[in-house]
Amino acid sequence: QVQLVESGGTVVQPRGSLRLSCAASGFIFSGYAMHWLRQAPGKGLEWVAFIRFDGSDKYYADSVKGRFTISRDNSESTLYLQMNSLRPEDTAVYYCAKGPSVWTSMADYWGQGTLVTVSS
Amino acid sequence: QSALTQPASVSGSPGQSITISCTGSSSDVGSWNLVSWYQQYPGKAPKLMISEVSKRPSGVSNRFSGSKSGNTASLTISGLQAEDDADYYCCSYVDSSTHWVFGGGTKVTVL
Repeated sequence: QVQLVESGGTVVQPRGSLRLSCAASGFIFSGYAMHWLRQAPGKGLEWVAFIRFDGSDKYYADSVKGRFTISRDNSESTLYLQMNSLRPEDTAVYYCAKGPSVWTSMADYWGQGTLVTVSS
Repeated sequence: QSALTQPASVSGSPGQSITISCTGSSSDVGSWNLVSWYQQYPGKAPKLMISEVSKRPSGVSNRFSGSKSGNTASLTISGLQAEDDADYYCCSYVDSSTHWVFGGGTKVTVL
């Protein structure tokens, strides 16, 4: 079965940096696009970033463009999110999610999430 | 403000049917058959219930169905059960610039 396990969430100061990881198993990781999404406390879901199966294309939400970088290591079945210049409004549970066969459709499996708190 | 509009709450009694609407525009819901619906319990990860407007993934109860008319997509839950008490989110592909947008979520309460 598909398993996605995020890690790296912690408390970080404003303007700080953090890298999240997502270990994938139960499917051929190198064959699927992947997403990062987030959910601020008590709020709704927000798409953050996307990467194609081979890393050839990357897309970002306007709210994180220029500050966050998505990447993947297909040899290690691991997805990453490098987060720089963090702001208090980036505080959220961050989910990694697997893209379906139709890549323009939103994710079909989500991890349990990792909490990032940006606060001084 | 979310790009897609959902009612904040919908309620129903066990056995009844309810419908959650997801209203977008001709740029998102109206342009693509790429609307997905997610169920989320408090503190848990979202679960895909419907993809591509009306496709139900393996393992999802056939009490859940999706449809679309113009710029509005809908999720119908028939034979409402206590376990359906959760938050529901819709999502649509938009374009090569905005990519994906979500609705604000709907709290379903089983009375």
